[in-house]
Amino acid sequence: EVQLVESGGGLVQPGRSLRLSCAASGFTFDDYAMHWVRQAPEKGLEWVSGITWNSDRIVYADSVKGRFTISRDNAKHSLYLQMNSLRAEDTALYYCAKDINWDLVGSFDYWGQGTLVTVSS
Amino acid sequence: QSALTQPASVSGSPGQSITISCTGTSSDVGSYNLVSWYQQHPGKAPKLMIYEVSKWPSGVSNRFSGSKSGNTASLTISGLQAEDEADYYCCSSAGISTYVFGTGTKVTVL
Repeated sequence: EVQLVESGGGLVQPGRSLRLSCAASGFTFDDYAMHWVRQAPEKGLEWVSGITWNSDRIVYADSVKGRFTISRDNAKHSLYLQMNSLRAEDTALYYCAKDINWDLVGSFDYWGQGTLVTVSS
Repeated sequence: QSALTQPASVSGSPGQSITISCTGTSSDVGSYNLVSWYQQHPGKAPKLMIYEVSKWPSGVSNRFSGSKSGNTASLTISGLQAEDEADYYCCSSAGISTYVFGTGTKVTVL
């Protein structure tokens, strides 16, 4: 059974940093691209970032480019999101999502339950 | 990148068919056959229903079907059932491996 378990969310002040983690199990992690998708409270989904199976291609939404860094550790079956210079508008539930392909196709067939990030003073 | 445009709400009676539109531009929906659809029940993670415009993931009912014409993609739910009541989001490639979601549609089963 595929499982994606996010962690690392919490309350953080504007301008500070936070690192999210996603532990994957139930599939061959290094065979697939992975993504982060977020959802602000009572709002829609927003794609944040994606990374290919071997990290040779990394992409970001314009809203987080230069502030967020995605990475993965295939040996640990884990995906990460380093979030710096956080803003109030980054407040959201952050989902880890598996792509259907080793490359960035942008079809997300498995999702975690999310970790909540709240940016507030 | 602006969100794709979806109707805020669509409703139908059990057994009926409904269609949800997803309108983008020639830079996203119109340029790529990489449109996917997601179902999200309240408090739950999204679930992939359709990928690459019209393909079904394993385990998804064929009552859900997808299509695309020009800059608009569509999701049709046939034989509407009570459990289909949820929010639905489209998603498209927007070039250079970036992606954009739709504004979301609340489906109500009357």
